Amino acid sequence: GQQLNQSPQSMFIQEGEDVSMNCTSSSIFNTWLWYKQDPGEGPVLLIALYKAGELTSNGRLTAQFGITRKDSFLNISASIPSDVGIYFCAGLNYGGSQGNLIFGKGTKLSVKP
Amino acid sequence: NAGVTQTPKFRVLKTGQSMTLLCAQDMNHEYMYWYRQDPGMGLRLIHYSVGEGTTAKGEVPDGYNVSRLKKQNFLLGLESAAPSQTSVYFCASSGRQGMLRGYTFGSGTRLTVV
Repeated sequence: GQQLNQSPQSMFIQEGEDVSMNCTSSSIFNTWLWYKQDPGEGPVLLIALYKAGELTSNGRLTAQFGITRKDSFLNISASIPSDVGIYFCAGLNYGGSQGNLIFGKGTKLSVKP
Repeated sequence: NAGVTQTPKFRVLKTGQSMTLLCAQDMNHEYMYWYRQDPGMGLRLIHYSVGEGTTAKGEVPDGYNVSRLKKQNFLLGLESAAPSQTSVYFCASSGRQGMLRGYTFGSGTRLTVV
């Protein structure tokens, strides 16, 4: 089945630093999504990308849909303590009635205050 | 807006016991999903439903059953709980158009089987 490789698995950063994480797949996706999960909560959608090459920002977050449609990147600028959590990428192939999201295994972000 | 509500939030079961997890959404979404989340494994799809009265298997369906008798509710059942089913369970929903914008998740049910 389709799989997403998300890296890094975890990272510690100093407050104020920029963060980068990425997701790659052997399969093509029509849509890439990035979620954040706070401790004890469900994932919440941060950014959705619909076109190859698309670059979208949401505040300090910027995500890109790779040209090959097999990868995506998420950058967080000037990290702050509330950025702590697990970030998931997800790829979606719609068409048919299912439209299942395939999730990466997550990047756990910890910030040193 | 309540969004997606899961009950209970926590539960401890003994091996062999049964239970049902309830998911309710108030967004009139057609699609609903059950995932489990285990450390280092990400989110894995257990079962899903594309409409009232229909269900289908996901990636890890064994040991679980589901029912979608009403559009707003999606039940996940464990007939005979096993320690391997200790996990955090998330329900999610999406509409046909909203599917392109991803899913809305509940806050999870933490299940421990001893």
